[in-house]
Amino acid sequence: QVQLVQSGAEVKKPGSSVKVSCKASGGIFRSYAISWVRQAPGQGPEWMGGIIPMFNITDYAQNFQDRLTITADESTTTAYMELNSLRFEDTAVYYCARGGFSGSFYVSFDFWGQGTLVSVSS
Amino acid sequence: DIVLTQSPATLSLSPGDRATLSCRASQSFGSKSLAWYQQKPGQAPRLLIFGVSSRATGIPDRFSGSGSGTDFTLTISRLEPEDFAVYYCQQYRSSHTFGQGTKLEIK
Repeated sequence: QVQLVQSGAEVKKPGSSVKVSCKASGGIFRSYAISWVRQAPGQGPEWMGGIIPMFNITDYAQNFQDRLTITADESTTTAYMELNSLRFEDTAVYYCARGGFSGSFYVSFDFWGQGTLVSVSS
Repeated sequence: DIVLTQSPATLSLSPGDRATLSCRASQSFGSKSLAWYQQKPGQAPRLLIFGVSSRATGIPDRFSGSGSGTDFTLTISRLEPEDFAVYYCQQYRSSHTFGQGTKLEIK
């Protein structure tokens, strides 16, 4: 069974950066896209971007292209999401999620991490 | 971007009832790139339906999806107590977007 385990909650100041990890186990890591999806309080989910580790290719949503970096380490089957220039409105739960079909970003998400709360506060 | 509008925002029903949730897209996408998720408080979304009508692994057959073009529906044929939650639709034809959700609450 695939499991995605994320790093713990973070409290950050405006203008700083946050890096969240997502360790995968129980499945094939390298050929499935890992996406990052955030959810602000009371809102629907929002896709931020993703990576396919085998090809080391990334795809970012337009809203995040200038301050988001997604990476993956195949040796530790861990994906990372780093968001820069944090704003109050970046306060949200951040999820990693695995694409349901190999080799594509544009698929549904069949496995999700438990979520990481990032709070931006002065 | 393709905008997804879900209705109703809240649906109040009783266990044993039939639930019909709607998801309308701002433009037609001529593929089956639509999914439905269930989310309970404090939990990650759970995939129910992908490709408009295919049930994900382990999802009971009381959940079904249908639709095409711009109009899609999630139907729960007979509500169980554990089905009361928030439901989101997602399109993955052009990037990814999610609807704002329908809260299914106990009447």
